[in-house]
Amino acid sequence: QLQLQESGPRLVKTSETLSLTCTVSDDSVRNDYWSWIRQPPGKGVEWIGYVHYSGTTKYNPSLKSRVTISVDTSKNQFSLKLNSVTAADAAVYYCASSTYYSSSGSYFGLFQYWGQGTLVTVSS
Amino acid sequence: EIVLTQSPATLSLSPGERATLSCRASQSVSSYLAWYQQRPGQAPRLLVYDTSNTATGIPARFSGSGSGTDFTLTINSLEPEDFAVYYCQQRTNWPWTFGQGTKVEIK
Repeated sequence: QLQLQESGPRLVKTSETLSLTCTVSDDSVRNDYWSWIRQPPGKGVEWIGYVHYSGTTKYNPSLKSRVTISVDTSKNQFSLKLNSVTAADAAVYYCASSTYYSSSGSYFGLFQYWGQGTLVTVSS
Repeated sequence: EIVLTQSPATLSLSPGERATLSCRASQSVSSYLAWYQQRPGQAPRLLVYDTSNTATGIPARFSGSGSGTDFTLTINSLEPEDFAVYYCQQRTNWPWTFGQGTKVEIK
């Protein structure tokens, strides 16, 4: 069972940069797409963007100007940076795999494995 | 952006009853509609993908149907662990989007 674990500061000041890292339990990071997803407390789920092990990225247009997602295959990690944060960026941030694998094939754009999530608070 | 609208917002049912959850898309997503379950304090879990395919390890009481813009998740005979929030998600167009969720609560 693949495991993902988010790490990084839980408290970020307004206008500063939120930085999180996701560590994948094996070298699967070299074979797939990896997403960041967030969920404000008591609210719905928002896909932030993904990175491919090759370094290719895709971002949600709503955040594109402030987001950078990168990968470090040597460490089995991928990372999120969100700059100029405001109170609206306070959320549980999840890292997740972006392809579902079954006996019938692979399905891009489905989130099969998730980290436990980390709550990031934004304060002034 | 494709907007997914789920209804109802809350569904109050008793164990053993059937739950029917709806997800409507602002434009066609073909069959690329998935459902996730989220229990309190946990990450979402993939239940159903591409409208009607149940993910590995998901009980047979979960089923999905629909096409185009209107989709349904049915949970036959609710078990205590099924009381949770359910989200639909589309992977047809960028950005991938989720519905706002339906909470299935114990009546």
